[in-house]
Amino acid sequence: KNQVEQSPQSLIILEGKNCTLQCNYTVSPFSNLRWYKQDTGRGPVSLTIMTFSENTKSNGRYTATLDADTKQSSLHITASQLSDSASYICVVSAGGNNRLAFGKGNQVVVIP
Amino acid sequence: DAMVIQNPRYQVTQFGKPVTLSCSQTLNHNVMYWYQQKSSQAPKLLFHYYDKDFNNEADTPDNFQSRRPNTSFCFLDIRSPGLGDAAMYLCATSRVAGVGQPQHFGDGTRLSIL
Repeated sequence: KNQVEQSPQSLIILEGKNCTLQCNYTVSPFSNLRWYKQDTGRGPVSLTIMTFSENTKSNGRYTATLDADTKQSSLHITASQLSDSASYICVVSAGGNNRLAFGKGNQVVVIP
Repeated sequence: DAMVIQNPRYQVTQFGKPVTLSCSQTLNHNVMYWYQQKSSQAPKLLFHYYDKDFNNEADTPDNFQSRRPNTSFCFLDIRSPGLGDAAMYLCATSRVAGVGQPQHFGDGTRLSIL
């Protein structure tokens, strides 16, 4: 069964600080990995998408990394802002039919 | 501008009373998906349409049905909602059902069952 595990489940950080979220997956065959940001009461919004050959991708203050050998990804948030408070969901695409395996998300709370 | 629009944002229905959730898209995407997301859980795919072809997930209860009358609209029908069906329902689209195609999500409909 395809699985995506995220850690930590939740964390609280001070505004302006950095944080790193982890995603481990066992999805096979691997196609791509996406990080989504989901604000409370809203739908997920795509932050980054990486294929097998990509190691890192940035979107503003968000930087995602991928190690396809160890099946690990991370999302680094630089200089956090209050608006970064959200759930960050790691989603791995398996095979060629766009079937997605979702993690449960990292709940981030940024406090002033 | 919203590209995947779900209505209503909040829906309250009675136990056993049929309810319909709607989704529309302005992206002209071929594929539309319905997910169920319960609190602190990952979204769970219920079914999807590739154009007019309906694809049901094996573990989606029979209580859940879907209609796609045209490219732009897709509906989720819950025939006899139970208390366990209270959740956020997310609609998503993708241009095609292929590798690397991003899914664009709506803001969801939060369904409550009385």
